[in-house]
Order: sequence, then C-alpha cells, then structure tokens
Amino acid sequence: AQSVTQPDIHITVSEGASLELRCNYSYGATPYLFWYVQSPGQGLQLLLKYFSGDTLVQGIKGFEAEFKRSQSSFNLRKPSVHWSDAAEYFCAVVYRGSTLGRLYFGRGTQLTVWP
Amino acid sequence: GAVVSQHPSRVICKSGTSVKIECRSLDFQATTMFWYRQFPKKSLMLMATSNEGSKATYEQGVEKDKFLINHASLTLSTLTVTSAHPEDSSFYICSAINSLRNTEAFFGQGTRLTVV
Repeated sequence: AQSVTQPDIHITVSEGASLELRCNYSYGATPYLFWYVQSPGQGLQLLLKYFSGDTLVQGIKGFEAEFKRSQSSFNLRKPSVHWSDAAEYFCAVVYRGSTLGRLYFGRGTQLTVWP
Repeated sequence: GAVVSQHPSRVICKSGTSVKIECRSLDFQATTMFWYRQFPKKSLMLMATSNEGSKATYEQGVEKDKFLINHASLTLSTLTVTSAHPEDSSFYICSAINSLRNTEAFFGQGTRLTVV
C-alpha cells in the first residue's frame, strides 16, 4: 500500500542543536516529495520540495532535505535549531501521474525547542 | 508566494444545520483546489479535489452528500458541511494551485468547525 511514514511523533531539541526529522514513503515509483510546517491553528507553509535532480534540496528558514532512493527516505535537517522552529512538521507526497497539489501527508512530527 | 484566503476561520454551528466554508485564491487563478480535514493531533486527510467548472473528485470514504464542494470560478471553492453532527467537528484546510503555471499548492489558514 502507498503510504508516508513519519516515525517520530514528537521530538525535543535544545536551541542551537541540530535536527533531523525522518520521512519514508512506500510507493512503486519515486513520488514528488515535500516538507511542510504548520504553526498551531494555522495553515501550512512549504519548506522545500523534491521533484528530480540534485538529491540534496535547500529550503527556506535554513532547512534542507536529502532524498535517498535506496532508503525511500526524504529526511529534513537543520544544523542549528531556533526557538521559532517549534511547530508541527509534515512530510507529504504527490504521486507521479497524479494532479500536482494532490498531497498525501504523513502523520506529522511535533517539534519542541528548549531554550 | 500566492495567497489563499479561507473564511471563516472559526465557526460554531448547531447539530443538524449546514455550514459553508469558502476558499479563495487572491492573486492567482486556481485551476484546482483541494480540501483537507485535520483531526486533533493527527495528519491532514485529503477529502476531495475540485476543478473549476466540474464536479469534485472525492477520496475513498468521504461522503460526497455530506461534504458538498463547489468550484464555480477560478478563484473560489466552497465546502458545505450538510446536516452537521458533532463528529464533523474538525479543522478544515483548503489549498489551491494553478497547475498550468505552478508546482506548488498554497494553503489557506484553515477553518475550525465546532458542531454543538
């Protein structure tokens, strides 16, 4: 079955520490891959996306993600977390051949940042 | 980036009534809009895809008679929750894309629906 897995429900890091949020997908072909961030009671903001090409993708707010085909993964990273990064993070896919924007989301990872 | 406005941001309605949520693309023409539902501390579930001028395509398990979607213009889609019940209480989010020009869908701020 097609799915998007975010194995970590909640992650806590100290401000200034590095961060890695995991995402795996299950699908026959590599889908289009996205990371979104959601602040409480708000909509979603796109951090970065991968369609093809360079497997290391740079996004906004200092985030990057690396696509690894062999592991069916698209993990999100940030070298130094800021308190304002505390939010819910969602990995999402659009399956190739599907309508762009038709997103399927992982369950999300809640990030808490300690001062 | 492009702006998508969702209205209202919060609504409380009585059980058995209907409530309409609007999703507008303010500065671009949205060929396609999407509606999602988000349960507390849960992921976003795609409910339906709506294309301007045609019927919406619903995801499996979503009641099309319960959740009426209309995409009458290139800037407006509406979701009407009919005969609402407390279990319909949720956070509803729309997104919009001009798939001919963009590779990114833009999200509204969401609508918190509470059915009492």
